[in-house]
Amino acid sequence: QKEVEQDPGPLSVPEGAIVSLNCTYSNSAFQYFMWYRQYSRKGPELLMYTYSSGNKEDGRFTAQVDKSSKYISLFIRDSQPSDSATYLCAMSKRGGTSYGKLTFGQGTILTVHP
Amino acid sequence: DGGITQSPKYLFRKEGQNVTLSCEQNLNHDAMYWYRQDPGQGLRLIYYSQIVNDFQKGDIAEGYSVSREKKESFPLTVTSAQKNPTAFYLCASSSGAGQPQHFGDGTRLSIL
Repeated sequence: QKEVEQDPGPLSVPEGAIVSLNCTYSNSAFQYFMWYRQYSRKGPELLMYTYSSGNKEDGRFTAQVDKSSKYISLFIRDSQPSDSATYLCAMSKRGGTSYGKLTFGQGTILTVHP
Repeated sequence: DGGITQSPKYLFRKEGQNVTLSCEQNLNHDAMYWYRQDPGQGLRLIYYSQIVNDFQKGDIAEGYSVSREKKESFPLTVTSAQKNPTAFYLCASSSGAGQPQHFGDGTRLSIL
């Protein structure tokens, strides 16, 4: 079983829809949570970073972390065609020999059509 | 502008050849990382370095080597021992444990 599971999709939605992307994890040692957006032939770009349970909002994006359920989500409101990309969740453990190492989900391919 | 520069953008390897991928950062980050990305498999860690002159193997280090002689630079060599090198290689850096990583735009390596 993978430490981080992410539905690869693909996910196709109409412009203006609310998008929900999700990851589950099995190791409670994960303490830091990130969402990255990756356009084709580009490196991942950091969208959201959080280390506590609850919600964090940034513009049209909301990251949600539920440590008790080992579940994280990214919501995109009023989705735009420019949001079409692969979305990767990533997480890391606190300290020790795992220094800074990120464990990634498989990535979800999102297409927003006009 | 601070960031991570990877070069070249595209690279072709012949059988039995070693190739080196360049990664330079001007973010003054201590930690640097190399990942391999294959379709449908997310990112897998090859090597990482927390400080100059020190580096550790990641999950898939076989067939790869690295050096960290300068804080700004972390080159990756794909050796002839790596039998399936075709992939998208990504370099990243961070300021420390628990901090997010920032990525370059990758090098796509193919076999001739």
